[in-house]
Amino acid sequence: NAGVTQTPKFQVLKTGQSMTLQCAQDMNHNSMYWYRQDPGMGLRLIYYSASEGTTDKGEVPNGYNVSRLNKREFSLRLESAAPSQTSVYFCASSVEGSNQPQHFGDGTRLSIL
Amino acid sequence: AQSVTQPDIHITVSEGASLELRCNYSYGATPYLFWYVQSPGQGLQLLLKYFSGDTLVQGIKGFEAEFKRSQSSFNLRKPSVHWSDAAEYFCAVGAVPGAGSYQLTFGKGTKLSVIP
Repeated sequence: NAGVTQTPKFQVLKTGQSMTLQCAQDMNHNSMYWYRQDPGMGLRLIYYSASEGTTDKGEVPNGYNVSRLNKREFSLRLESAAPSQTSVYFCASSVEGSNQPQHFGDGTRLSIL
Repeated sequence: AQSVTQPDIHITVSEGASLELRCNYSYGATPYLFWYVQSPGQGLQLLLKYFSGDTLVQGIKGFEAEFKRSQSSFNLRKPSVHWSDAAEYFCAVGAVPGAGSYQLTFGKGTKLSVIP
């Protein structure tokens, strides 16, 4: 009963490097989300996928791309990492769209030097 | 635009004391309101939610919240705090189910410390 699984848990990158954060859920949820959490800022939505095959921008999408690989998996890619992207990234999923309560993973702590 | 304000960045209470965490929201339609808790190094866990019905909502871990439309508030309460309640608490607002909007807006959080 894993829920939402994120990999890796920690990562350090150099400026300009690329990286993909992985997220998988085993709850048969339709909707998946990527957030970033910065000190004193709460959570801000980067991208979401209302259902398999669709993705949409959230509040802070610049510098990121996403792929909804299948119903279970939703990945977040940084093509050219910048220090401003140092953050904790959370993946979440929900039973259906329209803001049903979301289940969160434990986060990926990403540092960009 | 929707927004959530949690006026208290950090609150310290003694174990056994009562707790109230404040949340004010701005939303142009009927809001769907949530409280989440985050323990250090963990993701967010849903405590409770509300969008219709009784304005006093019961959640997990002994928490409750009261929706007051006239005050645009959704404050979280607990009668007697336990040391294990020390964590960060987030209020969030979004569209009601079926409204077609997927944007959840979170407050900046209130960190709760508990004195033994």
